[in-house]
Amino acid sequence: DADVTQTPRNRITKTGKRIMLECSQTKGHDRMYWYRQDPGLGLRLIYYSFDVKDINKGEISDGYSVSRQAQAKFSLSLESAIPNQTALYFCATSDQGHSYPELFFGEGSRLTVL
Amino acid sequence: AQKVTQAQTEISVVEKEDVTLDCVYETRDTTYYLFWYKQPPSGELVFLIRRNSFDEQNEISGRYSWNFQKSTSSFNFTITASQVVDSAVYFCALRSNTNAGKSTFGDGTTLTVKP
Repeated sequence: DADVTQTPRNRITKTGKRIMLECSQTKGHDRMYWYRQDPGLGLRLIYYSFDVKDINKGEISDGYSVSRQAQAKFSLSLESAIPNQTALYFCATSDQGHSYPELFFGEGSRLTVL
Repeated sequence: AQKVTQAQTEISVVEKEDVTLDCVYETRDTTYYLFWYKQPPSGELVFLIRRNSFDEQNEISGRYSWNFQKSTSSFNFTITASQVVDSAVYFCALRSNTNAGKSTFGDGTTLTVKP
């Protein structure tokens, strides 16, 4: 099983609908992130959390909200989806220490907003 | 502010050619990490290598090698004798302490290796 699991993997929804993307991890990491990938734009950070009670906005947080329900779970919500939120979304985790600072990614959730 | 620039948007080579992917970074921190990630056509993101700012030693892993030069703020990635399976989007990323431990990504280089 994957260490970082995202659900759903693919979702098609309509403008104005609320949608939630869920992420769970078994790596025991405190730090979790949500990134968005658009063609040619790399990965942009939406929100991140360094602990269960810690939520921080990234560079493109408008139109999104998150919930850190537990150390292992970090959900991303689109309260009222719009077409320009069509993208590939990645959840990631990292170790808070310096031994392994790299990101461990989920398999991605492809969202299409019609 | 920190920034990562991958000037090469797309590169196309023929199998067995060597190819170098460029990465230039900007940060005011003296302590930072640099990374390369690979995204094959299947879409997942795979970590390839990390380097910290105190370790300028170049690294070779099989057909992959990395050249880190602080003097030019570059962390370039070379694939020797490229193979079709190397076709992917490659991302360079930077993480520094003053950016609250967040990683900044370049826009990626799409590498196509033709048979």
